[in-house]
Amino acid sequence: AQTVTQSQPEMSVQEAETVTLSCTYDTSESDYYLFWYKQPPSRQMILVIRQEAYKQQNATENRFSVNFQKAAKSFSLKISDSQLGDAAMYFCAYSAGGQGGSEKLVFGKGMKLTVNP
Amino acid sequence: DSGVTQTPKHLITATGQRVTLRCSPRSGDLSVYWYQQSLDQGLQFLIQYYNGEERAKGNILERFSAQQFPDLHSELNLSSLELGDSALYFCASSPRFGSTGELFFGEGSRLTVL
Repeated sequence: AQTVTQSQPEMSVQEAETVTLSCTYDTSESDYYLFWYKQPPSRQMILVIRQEAYKQQNATENRFSVNFQKAAKSFSLKISDSQLGDAAMYFCAYSAGGQGGSEKLVFGKGMKLTVNP
Repeated sequence: DSGVTQTPKHLITATGQRVTLRCSPRSGDLSVYWYQQSLDQGLQFLIQYYNGEERAKGNILERFSAQQFPDLHSELNLSSLELGDSALYFCASSPRFGSTGELFFGEGSRLTVL
């Protein structure tokens, strides 16, 4: 079964600084999707960024970028120019994208990010 | 706004009772997923329905059941409730064909069992 591990339960960063959130996963599939979701205090799950495993290029969305290391099964999220609104729980997630029958997401346990003014 | 609607947003009930949580997926999405989020277990996948049929089952208790109706909305039924069932229950939806793997989440239903 696929597993997702976020080893850091909490992190903090100063406003305008850069922070990197780590995630590792385990799978025997060759094609899959990886995601970072954000959950602010409003509790809504919001997609931050998505990476397709077959793409070698790392995904980027404005201030958010990933470092995808397929061989190492590592998928870290870098937040640049951190803003107060970035404070939230961040979840790393994996999807086989329908291979094996289901597109369900498997989540890590999450990491609480605090942004200090 | 993800387009996924969940009701009720908050629910308080007593042990032993039964509740029903409702989810309307995004327009056109055929798959509905239910997740349970508790403090100690994180986000746990419960069950997935696709176009009315069960497609995948996760860590769903026998006291819990779900179904997806012809209009594609879904209900999660929780019975013989225990204190440990207190959690945030999320519904998510996705299209099937051409899926990018992304799920679209509702705002969740907060269940408190007293």
